[in-house]
Amino acid sequence: EPEVTQTPSHQVTQMGQEVILRCVPISNHLYFYWYRQILGQKVEFLVSFYNNEISEKSEIFDDQFSVERPDGSNFTLKIRSTKLEDSAMYFCASKFLTGEETQYFGPGTRLLVL
Amino acid sequence: QQQVKQSPQSLIVQKGGISIINCAYENTAFDYFPWYQQFPGKGPALLIAIRPDVSEKKEGRFTISFNKSAKQFSLHIMDSQPGDSATYFCAATPKRFGAGTRLTVKP
Repeated sequence: EPEVTQTPSHQVTQMGQEVILRCVPISNHLYFYWYRQILGQKVEFLVSFYNNEISEKSEIFDDQFSVERPDGSNFTLKIRSTKLEDSAMYFCASKFLTGEETQYFGPGTRLLVL
Repeated sequence: QQQVKQSPQSLIVQKGGISIINCAYENTAFDYFPWYQQFPGKGPALLIAIRPDVSEKKEGRFTISFNKSAKQFSLHIMDSQPGDSATYFCAATPKRFGAGTRLTVKP
C-alpha cells in the first residue's frame, strides 16, 4: 500500500540553525500539507501546497518557514533559524484530489532544538 | 470561530465497553468532520469521517453521531478492545484538530 514517507525520523539541532525536513508524498497525490504536534498537544496545521504554490497557511507559518517541491517526488519544509519552541513532531500529509478530503499522514520527524 | 473543542482529555474503559468522545465546533462553514487515531510514535490515521448532511455514520465498531444544530459530533467505539488504546483526534475540515483524547482500554 502506498504511504507517505518522511526523513529524517529524528533531528537534533542548535537554536538558530536551519533545518530541512523532507517528505515523499504518495505518488499520484496533488495536495501536500505540513502539520506540527508539540509533545502531548494537538496537531496544528502549518501549510497546504498545491500546483507549486502555497494554497493556505496558518499564523504559525511565519517568515521563518518555507516549503518547496524541488522535484516530482519530494516536498520539503525549511525552518530558517530554529527556535526552542520549534521543537515538535512535524507531519507531512498528502491527498489526491479536491473534494476527496482524506489526508494520508507520514510517520513524522521529531525535531529537537537545543 | 476556528476552534474545535474535544472532551474528555483522557478516558479509561473496560474491555467490551463503549468509549464516547465528544467534539464541538464553532464555524458553521465547516463541512467535513474526520476522526483520527494516533498510536505513539506514528502519524494520525483517518478512522472515520462524516459530512453534515447525515446524522450518523457507522463503520464496524466505530460510529460518528452528528448534531448539526448543536454543532457537536461524537465518536462511539463499541465493544472497545485493548488494541483501541490510542489518542483520538476529532477535526473540522481536514485541518483543524481538537486537542485529543487519550483512550485506554483495560483488559
